[in-house]
Amino acid sequence: QPVLTQSSSASASLGSSVKLTCTLSSGHSSYIIAWHQQQPGKAPRYLMRVEGSGSYNKGSGVPGRFSGSSSGADRYLTISNLQSEDEADYYCETWDSNTRGVFGGGTKLTVL
Amino acid sequence: EVQLVESGGGLVQPGGSLRLSCAASGFTFSNYAMNWVRQAPGKGLEYVSGVRYDGGGTYYAISVKGRFTISRDNSKNTLYLQMGNLRAEDMAVYYCARVAAGGTWVDYWGQGTLVTVSS
Repeated sequence: QPVLTQSSSASASLGSSVKLTCTLSSGHSSYIIAWHQQQPGKAPRYLMRVEGSGSYNKGSGVPGRFSGSSSGADRYLTISNLQSEDEADYYCETWDSNTRGVFGGGTKLTVL
Repeated sequence: EVQLVESGGGLVQPGGSLRLSCAASGFTFSNYAMNWVRQAPGKGLEYVSGVRYDGGGTYYAISVKGRFTISRDNSKNTLYLQMGNLRAEDMAVYYCARVAAGGTWVDYWGQGTLVTVSS
């Protein structure tokens, strides 16, 4: 079964860029993942899916500041021109062979 | 506009039962697989259960298999989660989530409903 590994926290300054990483476990480096954002006290929101090729497809209404990329088993979420509202928890998601969802532990992003 | 509205959460004693509902609108419900995902207080997201678009296949996390049952009524655009033999570790916000067409990831989330398990 795939395991997704995320750093527990990250920080960056207002107006700068940050790149969050989600790493797929051995044997699962070709998997597609999805990124979700959860602002404090709110439900999660789908941001995008990222494929092993590096291509990504964003959800409806996701700002252009958000982009995805990939390298090997790593899937990235890059946020440019950080805004205060980007301070949130970010989760990656994939699924196992039995079509059950698998989530990473989440990264708490602080905007300084 | 896609909308997913959960209901049915509340306080239940250990060993008790509860049924959650999720009313869907803004899309053709019968064309999409659906999931339940939960989040314990201060913790991350955890997959609970999923169901195929036609109800023909159901999937469960190991932690709830045998205690929870997912179902759907496509004529009512509603998803359900029947929870039984509830434990303290089942206490969480439960989210209804739509699975992307042609994919297996979530592309829309509900606002969640809180289940509290306590005596």
